[in-house]
Amino acid sequence: AQSVTQPDIHITVSEGASLELRCNYSYGATPYLFWYVQSPGQGLQLLLKYFSGDTLVQGIKGFEAEFKRSQSSFNLRKPSVHWSDAAEYFCAVGAPGRGGGNKLTFGTGTQLKVEL
Amino acid sequence: DGGITQSPKYLFRKEGQNVTLSCEQNLNHDAMYWYRQDPGQGLRLIYYSQIVNDFQKGDIAEGYSVSREKKESFPLTVTSAQKNPTAFYLCASSIEVTDTQYFGPGTRLTVL
Repeated sequence: AQSVTQPDIHITVSEGASLELRCNYSYGATPYLFWYVQSPGQGLQLLLKYFSGDTLVQGIKGFEAEFKRSQSSFNLRKPSVHWSDAAEYFCAVGAPGRGGGNKLTFGTGTQLKVEL
Repeated sequence: DGGITQSPKYLFRKEGQNVTLSCEQNLNHDAMYWYRQDPGQGLRLIYYSQIVNDFQKGDIAEGYSVSREKKESFPLTVTSAQKNPTAFYLCASSIEVTDTQYFGPGTRLTVL
């Protein structure tokens, strides 16, 4: 069964500083990988996704993520954080090509706080 | 404007009552999903549906029921058999079951 680990529950960065949120997954083959962001009391918004091809993926709001098969990781990065980036971030893994459906497995989330 | 709507945003019910959460999408997506979110636990899949009149149990289906009579609608009923129903419930949809899932704004259910 697939699993996702987000080792950092909370992260605090200063506005303008760089950001990296960690995500490690467990899956037997190359999975589908996603990063979502959630503001308090809201639904999830897709930031970016990786299905295949180029391992460096660009997303919305200036975010990017890199798929590293050897490390089973899909870390999210942003070169300069804005105060509006404060939110909770979720990494998710899906199982491609399975007839039983795309059951996404989510990590427990990383809460990002931005200091002004 | 295309999207996913969930209603109501907040829902309060007495213990022992069944309650139905609404999820509607006008994206013409075939697949729809229900997730439950609890603090510190991420999202867990309750049910999903690949097409009309078909649905499958997710990881935590006990105490919940769904129907999919129309492509655009996937209501979730939280029954009295659900031991701890207070949570934030999120509905999602995707073009196909293996495609990217897009989420609605959620319904916060509180059982008193």
